[in-house]
Amino acid sequence: DQQVKQNSPSLSVQEGRISILNCDYTNSMFDYFLWYKKYPAEGPTFLISISSIKDKNEDGRFTVFLNKSAKHLSLHIVPSQPGDSAVYFCAASANAGNMLTFGGGTRLMVKP
Amino acid sequence: ETGVTQSPTHLIKTRGQQVTLRCSSQSGHNTVSWYQQALGQGPQFIFQYYREEENGRGNFPPRFSGLQFPNYSSELNVNALELDDSALYLCASSAGQEPEAFFGQGTRLTVV
Repeated sequence: DQQVKQNSPSLSVQEGRISILNCDYTNSMFDYFLWYKKYPAEGPTFLISISSIKDKNEDGRFTVFLNKSAKHLSLHIVPSQPGDSAVYFCAASANAGNMLTFGGGTRLMVKP
Repeated sequence: ETGVTQSPTHLIKTRGQQVTLRCSSQSGHNTVSWYQQALGQGPQFIFQYYREEENGRGNFPPRFSGLQFPNYSSELNVNALELDDSALYLCASSAGQEPEAFFGQGTRLTVV
């Protein structure tokens, strides 16, 4: 039973355009959500997070949106850069703790 | 300030053997979590240690065990290795129950 799902295994975007990565969850106990980026042969790197008391959080080119009623979150990257090409994981936790449940990942390719 | 480091980076073991993986947490972090990432999937939570005590466990059998030492470094032990244990094992450290966890580069375990 996958509690966190990333339904798009891959996404290709032109440099300078917006990248939108989506994530759905089923567990109503999740109250904190995180996005990680992973390059080959490296561990996941923390990117941005959002608490369930908010619906939006921005950090530079990265914005995360949370729709609690739909149990859906998305990561927007604007403008996309070739260096953003990586696998992006959505993760969720309950009680704002750090035992994370991850989605399966979306491979983002930003073309020059 | 040093980040999370794991050793070894790669390991090949035979089915039925035992393996020990090691992790040094980031300076100031007293919580260590271990994850298993199979090929093409997201990381799966194995267990977490906080101040030398197991603080939570995912859906993994008892042959997966761990330790945390007074300096907050940690070990993951897997007994009676099976072919399906082949995966990338990730260690993450955090400060207490802060949601943002910081990952090491992982240990790639291959069971033959």
